[in-house]
Amino acid sequence: GNSVTQMEGPVTLSEEAFLTINCTYTATGYPSLFWYVQYPGEGLQLLLKATKADDKGSNKGFEATYRKETTSFHLEKGSVQVSDSAVYFCALRGDSNYQLIWGAGTKLIIKP
Amino acid sequence: SQTIHQWPATLVQPVGSPLSLECTVEGTSNPNLYWYRQAAGRGLQLLFYSVGIGQISSEVPQNLSASRPQDRQFILSSKKLLLSDSGFYLCAWTRGLAGYNEQFFGPGTRLTVL
Repeated sequence: GNSVTQMEGPVTLSEEAFLTINCTYTATGYPSLFWYVQYPGEGLQLLLKATKADDKGSNKGFEATYRKETTSFHLEKGSVQVSDSAVYFCALRGDSNYQLIWGAGTKLIIKP
Repeated sequence: SQTIHQWPATLVQPVGSPLSLECTVEGTSNPNLYWYRQAAGRGLQLLFYSVGIGQISSEVPQNLSASRPQDRQFILSSKKLLLSDSGFYLCAWTRGLAGYNEQFFGPGTRLTVL
């Protein structure tokens, strides 16, 4: 079945550091891939998405590229800020599935 | 534009008491609706989803139930709460079955069972 694997957290970085949060998936067909962000005490917000191979999703300085050959959708940002501290979830949705398949989430802590 | 509401925002209930959490969506019709639970420091667990009025699919066996009495209303209930029911409950909706449609989340309800 479909599955998503994220790197375990917490990930602790200094402000202005480069960020990578790894996400790999297992799926049949051509899934859509998503990154969501959850700030403390809040619900989840869509950060970016990609719907086909080689698509790059981007938002708020974050980027992720849909790599079918490596079944990956790694999240990157060139220079993180304290305000980026949050939990980041990678998710997958298949063409014929009502559900999103979620990674376990990665907590990101940015220190000034 | 579409909005999703959840209430209450926080709830403290004794073990064995009943529960009713409500979720409503505005600005769209015939959404797919979802209830998730997030335990402290953990990922998301899908509890129920609904593709239409009166249609509920359950993902995990538990003492919770869900109902969809109206197109844009989704209710999570329990007759008797357990300590293990504590957590952050999130309602979400999506437009349809297309794989590229993202889910939109409500602000969540933090439930503490004592």
